[in-house]
Amino acid sequence: GDSVTQMEGPVTLSEEAFLTINCTYTATGYPSLFWYVQYPGEGLQLLLKATKADDKGSNKGFEATYRKETTSFHLEKGSVQVSDSAVYFCALSIRGGTALIFGKGTTLSVSS
Amino acid sequence: NAGVTQTPKFQVLKTGQSMTLQCAQDMNHEYMSWYRQDPGMGLRLIHYSVGAGITDQGEVPNGYNVSRSTTEDFPLRLLSAAPSQTSVYFCASSPQGLGRDETQYFGPGTRLLVL
Repeated sequence: GDSVTQMEGPVTLSEEAFLTINCTYTATGYPSLFWYVQYPGEGLQLLLKATKADDKGSNKGFEATYRKETTSFHLEKGSVQVSDSAVYFCALSIRGGTALIFGKGTTLSVSS
Repeated sequence: NAGVTQTPKFQVLKTGQSMTLQCAQDMNHEYMSWYRQDPGMGLRLIHYSVGAGITDQGEVPNGYNVSRSTTEDFPLRLLSAAPSQTSVYFCASSPQGLGRDETQYFGPGTRLLVL
């Protein structure tokens, strides 16, 4: 069945460091891909998305490109801030967009 | 728009008790779904619905019932709570239709503790 695999955490970085969180997927059809973020004590917020191959999603300095040939959707940011400390979830849509399948999440901790 | 709302925010149950987690949305979305979040497991899909009167099982449906009598509401029922159902529960909705946005919009969550 459809699945998402993302890198294990926690990821610990210093402020202004470069961030990559790897995400690969297995899916039938052509799902949309998403990154959601969960800040401490809060719910899930959409960070960015891509709906077809080669699309690049971007928001708040984060980027991810939908790579069909490598079935990947890696999250990157050039210079992280302390305020980026959160749990990041990669997800794909299933059954025509009715629901999502999530990866297990990657905890990012950024120190000043 | 209130978006997706969930009640209660927090609940403590004893093993064997039943309860209903409420979820409502005011965005006229056809699709709604329930997830549970457990440490190290990410979010797992429990049940979902593609419209009033239509529901289906997700990855972890055992121990949970759902129904969808209106477009706005999608309650999740625990018939006989077990400690393994201690979790944070999220409800979400998304629109349907040609060219639809497949983004899921999440509620704030319900934290459930089963003793």
